[in-house]
Amino acid sequence: QKEVEQDPGPLSVPEGAIVSLNCTYSNSAFQYFMWYRQYSRKGPELLMYTYSSGNKEDGRFTAQVDKSSKYISLFIRDSQPSDSATYLCASARTSYDKVIFGPGTSLSVIP
Amino acid sequence: DSGVTQTPKHLITATGQRVTLRCSPRSGDLSVYWYQQSLDQGLQFLIQYYNGEERAKGNILERFSAQQFPDLHSELNLSSLELGDSALYFCASSPGGSSNQPQHFGDGTRLSIL
Repeated sequence: QKEVEQDPGPLSVPEGAIVSLNCTYSNSAFQYFMWYRQYSRKGPELLMYTYSSGNKEDGRFTAQVDKSSKYISLFIRDSQPSDSATYLCASARTSYDKVIFGPGTSLSVIP
Repeated sequence: DSGVTQTPKHLITATGQRVTLRCSPRSGDLSVYWYQQSLDQGLQFLIQYYNGEERAKGNILERFSAQQFPDLHSELNLSSLELGDSALYFCASSPGGSSNQPQHFGDGTRLSIL
């Protein structure tokens, strides 16, 4: 079992829809949670970074962590074609531990 | 533009060969991370250097080695290459030694083994 799991998709939504991307993890010691966005032929770029449980909002993006169920979510409001990319969730146990990435979910936002 | 520069962008070579991938971190960043991304394994952490010293090690094969130089650029050496080593290799950098600080990724080196 991989430590961080994601549905690979692809997920296709119409422009303006609310997108929900989800991850589960198996290691209860994870405390740091991240979402990265990766466009085709580019490196991942950090979207959201959270510590422990709770919500964090940044513009159209909201990250949610539920440590009791080991569930991580990223919500995208008013989705745009420019949001079409692969979204990687990632976790780490401590601030000096390696970051474990999920396999990524491919998202297409159709105009 | 993340500020992280990786060269070359593409590399095609044969089994058994040795290659060197190069990474220049963002100005001011002291940590460099190397990752391998393949379709079946996803993004896998290989190794981290902080200010010239090895800080953390992940799933790096013994045939692979890395170093960080005094000017903070880093090189990843891959030897005795096998078909399965074909992948995208990413370098990332961050200001300090904490691996969960925002990591800024380069655009990768695509390695193809024929």
